[in-house]
Amino acid sequence: EPEVTQTPSHQVTQMGQEVILRCVPISNHLYFYWYRQILGQKVEFLVSFYNNEISEKSEIFDDQFSVERPDGSNFTLKIRSTKLEDSAMYFCASSGDRISGNTIYFGEGSWLTVV
Amino acid sequence: GQSLEQPSEVTAVEGAIVQINCTYQTSGFYGLSWYQQHDGGAPTFLSYNALDGLEETGRFSSFLSRSDSYGYLLLQELQMKDSASYFCAVARGGGNKLTFGTGTQLKVEL
Repeated sequence: EPEVTQTPSHQVTQMGQEVILRCVPISNHLYFYWYRQILGQKVEFLVSFYNNEISEKSEIFDDQFSVERPDGSNFTLKIRSTKLEDSAMYFCASSGDRISGNTIYFGEGSWLTVV
Repeated sequence: GQSLEQPSEVTAVEGAIVQINCTYQTSGFYGLSWYQQHDGGAPTFLSYNALDGLEETGRFSSFLSRSDSYGYLLLQELQMKDSASYFCAVARGGGNKLTFGTGTQLKVEL
């Protein structure tokens, strides 16, 4: 079964450093997402991406964050100047259909620890 | 604003049936999804309702009442492996964003 893959599975970084989280969405999907989940809390939407541009972003997704689809397969989340409160699990997701949310598939996540 | 409410914890015995309720307040509602998440794992899609009524997928069923802004997930013939967190999530029309509830921790006991 096709799946969303993410790397790294776990990253530890020092406060103030830049981090890039990588994702390979399901190959025929058109919509890509980043979500995050702080330990013990709910999954929170960060950003959605379609047709090589951001289609929607949350208030969490400030200037510290950026996304990019550098080639036909990868989708990245960059966090500039990381803060302690950025420590969370970051999930990449993809879907083929913009309207029906039932087709959003999540990767296994990248656990980011900022120290 | 948007809000979703679901119970924080539910406990049931193996073989039983359990219902997890979700009420929501949102604008531009398009549908209600349900996801399962085991500790440290990816949210896994279970079910989706865009229209009123019951959707059945194996042991899992989901119900939606748009007029009541209410839905539920029904799990039948519970198994130990069903112990996990279950999240309802609202899909909003005009966007492609899921807003998740706070999750219900289901514990299945012998």
